[in-house]
Amino acid sequence: QVQLQESGPGLVKPSQTLSLTCTVSGGSISSGYYYWNWIRQPVGEALEWIGRVHTSGSTDYNPSLKSRVTISVDTSKNQFSLKLSSVTAADTAVYYCAKDKGYGGRALEIWGQGTLVTVSS
Amino acid sequence: DIVMTQSPDSLAVSLGERATINCKSNQSILYSSNNKNYLAWYQQKPGQPPKLLIYWASTRESGVPDRFSGSGSGTDFTLTISNLQAEDVAVYYCQQYYSTLLFTFGPGTRVDIK
Repeated sequence: QVQLQESGPGLVKPSQTLSLTCTVSGGSISSGYYYWNWIRQPVGEALEWIGRVHTSGSTDYNPSLKSRVTISVDTSKNQFSLKLSSVTAADTAVYYCAKDKGYGGRALEIWGQGTLVTVSS
Repeated sequence: DIVMTQSPDSLAVSLGERATINCKSNQSILYSSNNKNYLAWYQQKPGQPPKLLIYWASTRESGVPDRFSGSGSGTDFTLTISNLQAEDVAVYYCQQYYSTLLFTFGPGTRVDIK
């Protein structure tokens, strides 16, 4: 059973770059036609999709974040990563990584536990 | 952008009764070539990540109790929880994955026990 785990700094200063990694265990990130996603959720608020990456390197980003977001994949480490530049307090949220159902559709079937990132000086 | 709305914002239902949550999209999320609605439902309990319950609007994810059911097509969808159990207390979100340029979630509906 595939599991996902987010890691990275829990505190980032304003104007800096937020960097998170999602480690995939229990299966290869390269197997199957899956997209690997990032989603965030400000505390007490709704979910916001940030973007996704395929192991081919193909990406899709939320247009509202596109100018600041980079999602990449490292198949040798079985990981994918999120970079969000020029952060402000509005980027404070729990960040989740998630795997979709591949040929079964793009619903998000497996989620990491999430990691809280606070933007503050 | 495809905007998802949900109603009600919250509801309280007695144990063993039915809970009904509505989700509406501002444009159709039915893909005519395969006749599938690109709509998923998730359950989120406090301090936990969302859990996929339903996809293709009405297909139950493996392991999800059959008291959870999804229906609807086009722009109007419903999640029904029959025989509500205490462990069903959570926030429920709908999500469209029709537009690969931007997946969007509804604002969520909180379900409590009356």
